[in-house]
Amino acid sequence: GDSVTQMEGPVTLSEEAFLTINCTYTATGYPSLFWYVQYPGEGLQLLLKATKADDKGSNKGFEATYRKETTSFHLEKGSVQVSDSAVYFCALRESSGGSNYKLTFGKGTLLTVNP
Amino acid sequence: EPEVTQTPSHQVTQMGQEVILRCVPISNHLYFYWYRQILGQKVEFLVSFYNNEISEKSEIFDDQFSVERPDGSNFTLKIRSTKLEDSAMYFCASSPFSSYNSPLHFGNGTRLTVT
Repeated sequence: GDSVTQMEGPVTLSEEAFLTINCTYTATGYPSLFWYVQYPGEGLQLLLKATKADDKGSNKGFEATYRKETTSFHLEKGSVQVSDSAVYFCALRESSGGSNYKLTFGKGTLLTVNP
Repeated sequence: EPEVTQTPSHQVTQMGQEVILRCVPISNHLYFYWYRQILGQKVEFLVSFYNNEISEKSEIFDDQFSVERPDGSNFTLKIRSTKLEDSAMYFCASSPFSSYNSPLHFGNGTRLTVT
């Protein structure tokens, strides 16, 4: 079945540091890929998405490129801020029929950014 | 921007009691989902719902669980006889399309505590 593997946290960085959170996936078809973010005490918010190979999703300074050859969708940000402290979830939505396009999530990576 | 609304934000119940978690999806959305997140663990799919019937359910969604769309706006998750291990954050989500590249929109969640 479909699965998403993302790097274990927690990740602790200083403000303005470079961020990478690794995500790889296994899917039978050609999924769409998403990053969701969960700020403390809040729900899941879509951060960015990519729907086909070599697409780059971007939002709020975060980027991720859909790499079909390595089945990866790593999240990056050049300069993190304290306000980026949150849990980040990589997810896929399978394109093949029968799955009703449910989202499959990774375990989440807790990011803490210190001033 | 329209959003998915969940009530209550926190529910405490005793083991064996029935609970109903309520959700108001975004008004023009047609596909509805429940997910749960046990503290510190991954977000897990429970059930998807379309056209007044369940489209898909996970192994977690056993006979103790049911979903209903009692009117044109609400979408509920009922747990008939709660167990300690049902303690989790429950997220409702909706989507306008069944397309695999359409993201799910999540509510802020209901934290269920079973004592």
